[in-house]
Amino acid sequence: EAQVTQNPRYLITVTGKKLTVTCSQNMNHEYMSWYRQDPGLGLRQIYYSMNVEVTDKGDVPEGYKVSRKEKRNFPLILESPSPNQTSLYFCASSSGTYANVLTFGAGSRLTVL
Amino acid sequence: AQTVTQSQPEMSVQEAETVTLSCTYDTSESDYYLFWYKQPPSRQMILVIRQEAYKQQNATENRFSVNFQKAAKSFSLKISDSQLGDAAMYFCAYRSPNYGGATNKLIFGTGTLLAVQP
Repeated sequence: EAQVTQNPRYLITVTGKKLTVTCSQNMNHEYMSWYRQDPGLGLRQIYYSMNVEVTDKGDVPEGYKVSRKEKRNFPLILESPSPNQTSLYFCASSSGTYANVLTFGAGSRLTVL
Repeated sequence: AQTVTQSQPEMSVQEAETVTLSCTYDTSESDYYLFWYKQPPSRQMILVIRQEAYKQQNATENRFSVNFQKAAKSFSLKISDSQLGDAAMYFCAYRSPNYGGATNKLIFGTGTLLAVQP
């Protein structure tokens, strides 16, 4: 089944404890991205990657890092999480064609205490 | 920069009735895509319908249809014969075309929470 898989789905952590949210897709998509969803703000893009070793900032990149060493994986790293990073996170991928559609993962609910 | 506005934070509809969710957007581009996504309580983002700006014909997917008014920059979603399973948060989203260094970034509205009354 074609899908985007995120882990963990739920995580409660404390301020300053580094964490990684993994994202993997099995569709050989070039493009991958991370969004965060907050009440009243909709979804906003954090980082994106157009292909292996090509990443760039989205609209809200502060406090996050990403890497794209393999085509299928695009982890989101929070080096020193803070409470304002408590959010619902989505990974998404798509092919590089003009008319493509984003496929979303199931979401990861992160709480930083 | 492009923006997407959903002015109805919450809507309610009776089962089997029709409801229309509003979305307006702002852009200086002439070519783009517009989307409606559904987010049920499971939180999964599910694509409902997609509209290409250069197509004048409104998109339709079964009970879901859009009213795309390019000049007015309006993109409303109509749900006919509403069902209990339609209860969800609905997001309108905009995307620039994939050329000239543009990305696949979606710009989302703030969402409309739809309740379906039995």
